[in-house]
Amino acid sequence: DAKTTQPPSMDCAEGRAANLPCNHSTISGNEYVYWYRQIHSQGPQYIIHGLKNNETNEMASLIITEDRKSSTLILPHATLRDTAVYYCIRTYNTDKLIFGTGTRLQVFP
Amino acid sequence: DGGITQSPKYLFRKEGQNVTLSCEQNLNHDAMYWYRQDPGQGLRLIYYSQIVNDFQKGDIAEGYSVSREKKESFPLTVTSAQKNPTAFYLCASNPRGGNQPQHFGDGTRLSIL
Repeated sequence: DAKTTQPPSMDCAEGRAANLPCNHSTISGNEYVYWYRQIHSQGPQYIIHGLKNNETNEMASLIITEDRKSSTLILPHATLRDTAVYYCIRTYNTDKLIFGTGTRLQVFP
Repeated sequence: DGGITQSPKYLFRKEGQNVTLSCEQNLNHDAMYWYRQDPGQGLRLIYYSQIVNDFQKGDIAEGYSVSREKKESFPLTVTSAQKNPTAFYLCASNPRGGNQPQHFGDGTRLSIL
Protein backbone atom coordinates (compact mmCIF):
# COMPACT_ATOMS: atom_id res chain seq x y z
CA ASP A 1 0.00 0.00 0.00
CA ALA A 2 1.70 3.15 -1.26
CA LYS A 3 -0.59 5.36 0.82
CA THR A 4 -0.45 8.08 -1.82
CA THR A 5 -2.50 8.58 -4.98
CA GLN A 6 -1.03 9.95 -8.19
CA PRO A 7 -2.40 10.16 -11.73
CA PRO A 8 -0.89 7.40 -13.86
CA SER A 9 0.29 9.71 -16.62
CA MET A 10 0.65 13.37 -17.61
CA ASP A 11 1.94 15.31 -20.58
CA CYS A 12 3.78 18.61 -20.60
CA ALA A 13 5.15 20.81 -23.37
CA GLU A 14 8.86 21.53 -23.27
CA GLY A 15 9.61 24.83 -21.57
CA ARG A 16 6.32 24.88 -19.68
CA ALA A 17 5.85 24.16 -16.00
CA ALA A 18 5.00 20.60 -15.09
CA ASN A 19 2.72 20.33 -12.06
CA LEU A 20 2.48 16.82 -10.65
CA PRO A 21 -0.19 16.27 -7.99
CA CYS A 22 -0.19 13.80 -5.14
CA ASN A 23 -2.93 12.97 -2.70
CA HIS A 24 -1.99 11.82 0.81
CA SER A 25 -5.20 12.51 2.67
CA THR A 26 -4.39 10.25 5.66
CA ILE A 27 -0.89 11.58 6.26
CA SER A 28 0.24 11.72 9.89
CA GLY A 29 1.67 14.80 11.53
CA ASN A 30 5.21 13.44 11.60
CA GLU A 31 5.28 12.08 8.06
CA TYR A 32 7.29 13.82 5.39
CA VAL A 33 6.48 13.92 1.69
CA TYR A 34 9.31 12.79 -0.58
CA TRP A 35 9.53 12.95 -4.35
CA TYR A 36 11.74 10.75 -6.50
CA ARG A 37 11.88 10.24 -10.23
CA GLN A 38 13.05 7.29 -12.30
CA ILE A 39 14.25 7.62 -15.85
CA HIS A 40 13.87 4.43 -17.84
CA SER A 41 16.29 1.67 -16.77
CA GLN A 42 17.99 3.82 -14.15
CA GLY A 43 17.76 3.99 -10.38
CA PRO A 44 15.37 6.47 -8.76
CA GLN A 45 16.73 9.96 -8.23
CA TYR A 46 15.85 11.97 -5.15
CA ILE A 47 14.23 15.32 -6.01
CA ILE A 48 12.92 17.05 -2.90
CA HIS A 49 11.10 16.53 0.38
CA GLY A 50 9.06 18.56 2.87
CA LEU A 51 6.99 18.40 6.02
CA LYS A 52 4.74 21.45 6.19
CA ASN A 53 6.36 24.33 4.41
CA ASN A 54 6.85 24.76 0.71
CA GLU A 55 10.34 23.82 -0.42
CA THR A 56 12.47 24.74 -3.40
CA ASN A 57 15.79 23.49 -4.66
CA GLU A 58 17.68 23.55 -7.93
CA MET A 59 15.52 20.81 -9.40
CA ALA A 60 11.97 21.60 -8.35
CA SER A 61 9.50 23.17 -5.95
CA LEU A 62 7.22 21.33 -3.57
CA ILE A 63 3.93 22.88 -2.57
CA ILE A 64 2.15 21.25 0.36
CA THR A 65 -1.41 22.30 1.17
CA GLU A 66 -2.09 23.78 4.58
CA ASP A 67 -4.02 20.68 5.69
CA ARG A 68 -1.16 18.52 4.30
CA LYS A 69 -3.60 16.23 2.52
CA SER A 70 -2.05 16.86 -0.86
CA SER A 71 1.04 18.24 -2.52
CA THR A 72 2.27 19.32 -5.93
CA LEU A 73 5.72 18.92 -7.41
CA ILE A 74 6.55 21.70 -9.83
CA LEU A 75 9.22 21.48 -12.50
CA PRO A 76 9.34 25.14 -13.56
CA HIS A 77 10.66 24.72 -17.09
CA ALA A 78 10.31 21.12 -18.21
CA THR A 79 12.82 19.69 -20.65
CA LEU A 80 12.81 16.44 -22.62
CA ARG A 81 15.22 15.03 -20.04
CA ASP A 82 12.51 15.39 -17.39
CA THR A 83 10.53 12.59 -19.03
CA ALA A 84 10.37 9.97 -16.28
CA VAL A 85 8.17 8.26 -13.71
CA TYR A 86 7.67 10.48 -10.66
CA TYR A 87 7.00 8.91 -7.27
CA CYS A 88 5.39 10.68 -4.33
CA ILE A 89 6.13 8.95 -1.00
CA ARG A 90 4.99 9.74 2.51
CA THR A 91 7.07 8.46 5.39
CA TYR A 92 8.19 9.30 8.93
CA ASN A 93 11.27 7.14 8.51
CA THR A 94 13.42 7.10 5.40
CA ASP A 95 14.36 3.51 6.19
CA LYS A 96 10.83 2.65 5.08
CA LEU A 97 10.10 3.97 1.63
CA ILE A 98 7.03 2.54 -0.07
CA PHE A 99 6.96 3.16 -3.80
CA GLY A 100 3.67 3.10 -5.65
CA THR A 101 3.39 3.10 -9.43
CA GLY A 102 3.92 6.87 -9.74
CA THR A 103 3.06 9.31 -12.53
CA ARG A 104 4.61 8.84 -15.94
CA LEU A 105 5.46 12.35 -17.16
CA GLN A 106 5.98 12.73 -20.90
CA VAL A 107 7.56 16.02 -21.99
CA PHE A 108 7.02 16.70 -25.66
CA PRO A 109 8.77 19.17 -27.99
CA ASP B 1 33.23 10.94 -7.31
CA GLY B 2 30.92 9.60 -4.58
CA GLY B 3 28.13 7.21 -5.40
CA ILE B 4 26.66 3.74 -5.47
CA THR B 5 27.98 1.18 -7.92
CA GLN B 6 25.99 -1.87 -8.90
CA SER B 7 27.49 -4.59 -11.01
CA PRO B 8 26.97 -6.15 -13.41
CA LYS B 9 24.38 -4.09 -15.26
CA TYR B 10 22.92 -7.18 -16.92
CA LEU B 11 23.05 -10.70 -15.52
CA PHE B 12 21.79 -14.00 -16.85
CA ARG B 13 21.17 -17.04 -14.74
CA LYS B 14 20.31 -20.62 -15.46
CA GLU B 15 17.50 -22.12 -13.50
CA GLY B 16 18.70 -23.72 -10.28
CA GLN B 17 21.75 -21.46 -9.95
CA ASN B 18 22.46 -18.99 -7.21
CA VAL B 19 23.71 -15.60 -8.35
CA THR B 20 25.20 -12.68 -6.41
CA LEU B 21 24.61 -9.03 -7.24
CA SER B 22 27.20 -6.51 -6.11
CA CYS B 23 26.52 -3.15 -4.46
CA GLU B 24 29.33 -0.85 -3.33
CA GLN B 25 29.06 2.70 -1.97
CA ASN B 26 31.73 5.27 -1.13
CA LEU B 27 29.36 7.75 0.50
CA ASN B 28 30.20 6.57 4.02
CA HIS B 29 26.52 5.76 4.56
CA ASP B 30 25.57 3.44 7.40
CA ALA B 31 22.34 2.09 5.94
CA MET B 32 21.97 0.09 2.72
CA TYR B 33 18.95 -1.40 0.98
CA TRP B 34 17.98 -3.83 -1.78
CA TYR B 35 14.81 -3.41 -3.83
CA ARG B 36 13.20 -5.39 -6.60
CA GLN B 37 11.25 -3.76 -9.42
CA ASP B 38 9.00 -5.61 -11.86
CA PRO B 39 7.82 -4.06 -15.14
CA GLY B 40 5.37 -1.21 -14.62
CA GLN B 41 5.55 -1.54 -10.86
CA GLY B 42 7.04 0.37 -7.99
CA LEU B 43 9.99 -0.81 -5.92
CA ARG B 44 9.60 -3.47 -3.24
CA LEU B 45 12.05 -3.83 -0.34
CA ILE B 46 13.94 -7.12 -0.11
CA TYR B 47 16.48 -6.56 2.69
CA TYR B 48 18.05 -3.65 4.48
CA SER B 49 20.99 -3.11 6.80
CA GLN B 50 21.46 -0.20 9.18
CA ILE B 51 24.89 -1.22 10.44
CA VAL B 52 27.70 -3.61 9.65
CA ASN B 53 27.01 -7.25 10.55
CA ASP B 54 23.28 -6.62 10.94
CA PHE B 55 20.40 -6.75 8.48
CA GLN B 56 16.63 -7.13 8.44
CA LYS B 57 14.12 -8.69 6.08
CA GLY B 58 11.98 -6.42 3.99
CA ASP B 59 8.63 -7.22 2.44
CA ILE B 60 9.78 -9.87 -0.05
CA ALA B 61 12.88 -11.54 1.48
CA GLU B 62 12.01 -15.15 0.59
CA GLY B 63 14.50 -16.65 -1.83
CA TYR B 64 17.13 -13.97 -1.18
CA SER B 65 20.07 -13.62 1.18
CA VAL B 66 22.46 -10.79 2.05
CA SER B 67 25.60 -10.09 4.04
CA ARG B 68 27.07 -6.88 5.44
CA GLU B 69 30.68 -7.56 6.39
CA LYS B 70 31.90 -4.10 5.36
CA LYS B 71 30.25 -0.71 5.60
CA GLU B 72 30.67 -0.02 1.90
CA SER B 73 29.41 -3.35 0.58
CA PHE B 74 26.00 -5.06 0.67
CA PRO B 75 25.85 -8.01 -1.77
CA LEU B 76 22.56 -9.71 -2.58
CA THR B 77 22.34 -13.40 -3.44
CA VAL B 78 19.37 -14.59 -5.45
CA THR B 79 19.02 -18.24 -4.55
CA SER B 80 17.44 -21.08 -6.48
CA ALA B 81 14.56 -20.88 -4.01
CA GLN B 82 13.44 -17.62 -5.65
CA LYS B 83 10.94 -18.92 -8.17
CA ASN B 84 10.55 -15.76 -10.21
CA PRO B 85 13.91 -13.96 -10.09
CA THR B 86 13.66 -12.08 -13.39
CA ALA B 87 13.50 -8.42 -12.36
CA PHE B 88 15.37 -5.15 -12.05
CA TYR B 89 17.32 -5.00 -8.77
CA LEU B 90 18.20 -1.69 -7.14
CA CYS B 91 20.54 -0.92 -4.29
CA ALA B 92 20.32 2.23 -2.17
CA SER B 93 22.00 3.82 0.83
CA ASN B 94 21.54 6.67 3.25
CA PRO B 95 23.02 7.99 6.50
CA ARG B 96 21.35 6.75 9.67
CA GLY B 97 19.11 9.06 11.62
CA GLY B 98 16.95 11.96 10.62
CA ASN B 99 15.10 12.07 7.35
CA GLN B 100 18.02 11.53 5.04
CA PRO B 101 16.94 10.58 1.52
CA GLN B 102 18.03 7.28 0.06
CA HIS B 103 20.39 7.43 -2.89
CA PHE B 104 20.19 4.72 -5.54
CA GLY B 105 22.51 2.87 -7.86
CA ASP B 106 21.64 2.28 -11.51
CA GLY B 107 20.47 -1.26 -11.00
CA THR B 108 21.15 -4.78 -12.23
CA ARG B 109 18.75 -6.46 -14.63
CA LEU B 110 18.57 -10.19 -13.95
CA SER B 111 17.14 -12.59 -16.51
CA ILE B 112 16.61 -16.35 -16.49
CA LEU B 113 18.00 -18.28 -19.44
